[in-house]
Amino acid sequence: QVRLQESGPGLVKPSQTLSLTCTVSGGSISSGGYYWNWIRQHPGKGPEWIGYIHHNGNTWHNPSLKGRLLISIDTSKSQFSLRLSSVTAADTAVYYCARITEAGTHSYYYYMDVWGRGTTVTVSS
Amino acid sequence: QSVVTQPPSASGTPGQRVTISCSGHRSNVGSNTVNWYQLLPGTAPQLLIYSNNQRPSGVPDRFSGSKSGTSASLAISGLQSEDEAEYYCEAWDDSVNGPVFGGGTKLTVL
Repeated sequence: QVRLQESGPGLVKPSQTLSLTCTVSGGSISSGGYYWNWIRQHPGKGPEWIGYIHHNGNTWHNPSLKGRLLISIDTSKSQFSLRLSSVTAADTAVYYCARITEAGTHSYYYYMDVWGRGTTVTVSS
Repeated sequence: QSVVTQPPSASGTPGQRVTISCSGHRSNVGSNTVNWYQLLPGTAPQLLIYSNNQRPSGVPDRFSGSKSGTSASLAISGLQSEDEAEYYCEAWDDSVNGPVFGGGTKLTVL
């Protein structure tokens, strides 16, 4: 059974860079048909998709965060990472990593079938 | 404000049937399949329904999903106290080229 585990600092100072890592266990991060995602949830709000990376290195980001975001993958360590620069209090949230499975034949559909438990990141001086 | 709209709260008594609605737009719910997730505090979110009405293995058949046009719904029958949680719908959005979520519905079992 594939499991995901987020790790990284719980407190980041304003204007600094938030860095998180997600470790994949119980399965291969290099398997086809999957996209490795970062999602965050602000208090009292619905989850917000941040971006994803494929094992071949292709990434796609939420346009609202473009310019501050870097998602990378290290298949040798079964990890993918998030770096969000120039953070403000608005970046305070619970951050999740999740796997999107791509399914279907003629018409594709997607769903997030594996999630980490999430890690709380607070931006404060 | 979320791109996809859900009622903020829902409630029911044990054994009842409850439905949670999800209203989107042509670019997301109207064009792509809808998934539903259950969030319990301190635990990893769980996929309940995928592709509008499919249940992953291990999810009780008390949970069912449907979609019509730009709206979708999650139904929970035979409500149990353990169903008290937050529920989110999600669909791929063609304008973002990524998933968008509803604002969530907090279900209370009275």
